[in-house]
Amino acid sequence: GDSVTQMEGPVTLSEEAFLTINCTYTATGYPSLFWYVQYPGEGLQLLLKATKADDKGSNKGFEATYRKETTSFHLEKGSVQVSDSAVYFCALRTPNFGNEKLTFGTGTRLTIIP
Amino acid sequence: DVKVTQSSRYLVKRTGEKVFLECVQDMDHENMFWYRQDPGLGLRLIYFSYDVNMKEKGDIPEGYSVSREKKERFSLILESASTNQTSMYLCASSFPENSNQPQHFGDGTRLSIL
Repeated sequence: GDSVTQMEGPVTLSEEAFLTINCTYTATGYPSLFWYVQYPGEGLQLLLKATKADDKGSNKGFEATYRKETTSFHLEKGSVQVSDSAVYFCALRTPNFGNEKLTFGTGTRLTIIP
Repeated sequence: DVKVTQSSRYLVKRTGEKVFLECVQDMDHENMFWYRQDPGLGLRLIYFSYDVNMKEKGDIPEGYSVSREKKERFSLILESASTNQTSMYLCASSFPENSNQPQHFGDGTRLSIL
């Protein structure tokens, strides 16, 4: 079945550091890939997505590129801020009418210190 | 903006009680989902629905049931609550046209079973 493997957390970085959170997946067919973010006390919000190989999703300075050859979708940001402290989830979705569920990774907690 | 509203942010119930968690969305989404979120396990799908009075089991349906009598409302029911159902519960909704559509999440209900 489908699965997502995410970098174990927690991750602690200083402000303005470079961020990478690794995500690899196993799926049948051609999945769409997503990064969701969960700020403290809130639900999940879509951060970015990519729907086909070599697509790059980007939002709020975060980027991730859909790499079919390595089955990866790593999240990167060049200079993190304290406000980026949150839990980040990688997810995939395979097209299947009537069964369009997301498969999530376990989440990576990110803490940015000033 | 899409709004997914969960009826309670925090809920405390006793073992053996019947518990109802309510979720309402205002975007006319066909699909609705219930997940539970546990540390180290990420989000796991309990049930989903792609139409009124339609439901499908997710990955961990045991001990739960659902009801979708109106398009905008999706209820999760714990028939006889047990302590291992203490968790954060997240509701989500989406359009079904294709797998590129993101799911929109509520803020979650933190349920404690004593």
